[in-house]
Amino acid sequence: EVQLVESGGGLVQPGGSLRLSCGASGFTFSDHYMDWVRQAPGKGLEWVGRSRSKAKSFTTEYAASVKGRFTISRDDSKNSLCLQMNSLKTEDTAVYYCVRAKEVVGGYYFDYWGQGTLVTVSS
Amino acid sequence: DIQLTQSPSFLSASVGDRVTITCRASQGISSYLAWFQQKPGKAPKLLIYTASTLQSGVPSRFSGSGSGTEFTLTISSLQTEDFGTYYCQQLKSYPLTFGGGTKVEIK
Repeated sequence: EVQLVESGGGLVQPGGSLRLSCGASGFTFSDHYMDWVRQAPGKGLEWVGRSRSKAKSFTTEYAASVKGRFTISRDDSKNSLCLQMNSLKTEDTAVYYCVRAKEVVGGYYFDYWGQGTLVTVSS
Repeated sequence: DIQLTQSPSFLSASVGDRVTITCRASQGISSYLAWFQQKPGKAPKLLIYTASTLQSGVPSRFSGSGSGTEFTLTISSLQTEDFGTYYCQQLKSYPLTFGGGTKVEIK
């Protein structure tokens, strides 16, 4: 059974840093692209960024709103995905989801999601 | 960035009704579109990918159609468990973007 479990959320002051982790099990983690998606309280979904697989040299993509502040990394030996968040702003307050992307002809689609971890940026 | 506009933003329908949600893209995205269902306090669930392919385990009353700039999600016979918010997502180009959501209420 595919499982994605996020951890590391919490309360942080504006300008601070936080590191989220996502532990994966039930599938061959190294084969998959992995993404982060967030959802501000009462709002819609916002894609944060992507980590491609080793086959694609672990390259990354980011939303403009987080580029230069957030960094996605992965450790395939530990089946783990991380999101390092620096220079946090109040507008980064959201539930952060770790998401597996499955490859099909025609793209990479978000087929499994973690339960999410809440990040609150407030003084 | 590719904008996705969903309509309606809210709908209320009865059990057994046929329900259609529309997603319009600001530029052509071929069939690089997915649909998700999200219930309160839960993570989104993939329903449809490549615009019309039903994800494994999803009931056949859900279907998707469209290509280019206009897409629809149809629930052929609404069930009580279908309440929630539905989102479309484009995967044609970065940044990946979602529609604003359609909240479905059961009358």
